[in-house]
Amino acid sequence: RKEVEQDPGPFNVPEGATVAFNCTYSNSASQSFFWYRQDCRKEPKLLMSVYSSGNEDGRFTAQLNRASQYISLLIRDSKLSDSATYLCVGYTGTASKLTFGTGTRLQVTL
Amino acid sequence: NAGVTQTPKFQVLKTGQSMTLQCAQDMNHEYMSWYRQDPGMGLRLIHYSVGAGITDQGEVPNGYNVSRSTTEDFPLRLLSAAPSQTSVYFCASSPGRTSTDTQYFGPGTRLTVL
Repeated sequence: RKEVEQDPGPFNVPEGATVAFNCTYSNSASQSFFWYRQDCRKEPKLLMSVYSSGNEDGRFTAQLNRASQYISLLIRDSKLSDSATYLCVGYTGTASKLTFGTGTRLQVTL
Repeated sequence: NAGVTQTPKFQVLKTGQSMTLQCAQDMNHEYMSWYRQDPGMGLRLIHYSVGAGITDQGEVPNGYNVSRSTTEDFPLRLLSAAPSQTSVYFCASSPGRTSTDTQYFGPGTRLTVL
């Protein structure tokens, strides 16, 4: 079983829609989580960190549920420019490593 | 600032050839790392460095060497290329000595081994 698992998608949504991605993790020792965005054939870039209390950045909201071991990303009012692959990332301090999910692809259409 | 730069952008090798992928950053970051990205596998850590003169193995180190003689540069050497090393390679750096800080990735090197 992969340490960080994501639905690969693609999620095809119309512009203006709300879309949510989930990511599950198996290592309960994982301490920190992040969402990275990766455009086609480009490098990943940090979208936001994920806190237990939840955090919001404009149209993006990230949540962490430690009891169920999943992380979510909610995108409201989707824009064409949101089309990308979203990578869920966990950090385990004891191993000092980041573990990347395989990504969820989002395609926003007119 | 140029950020993280990688050269070359594309490379084709024959099995058994060796080469070095270059990575440089101008942000004075302590932590640097190399990942490979394969379809359906996610990014996997090859080697990392927490500062000049210090390197350590990641998840998939076999077939690769690294060195960190300066803060700025972190080259990745393929000793004897194999088709299994066909992949996209990303170098990343971050300001702190742990990987919880924001990772800044280079644009990647697309390597094909025939």
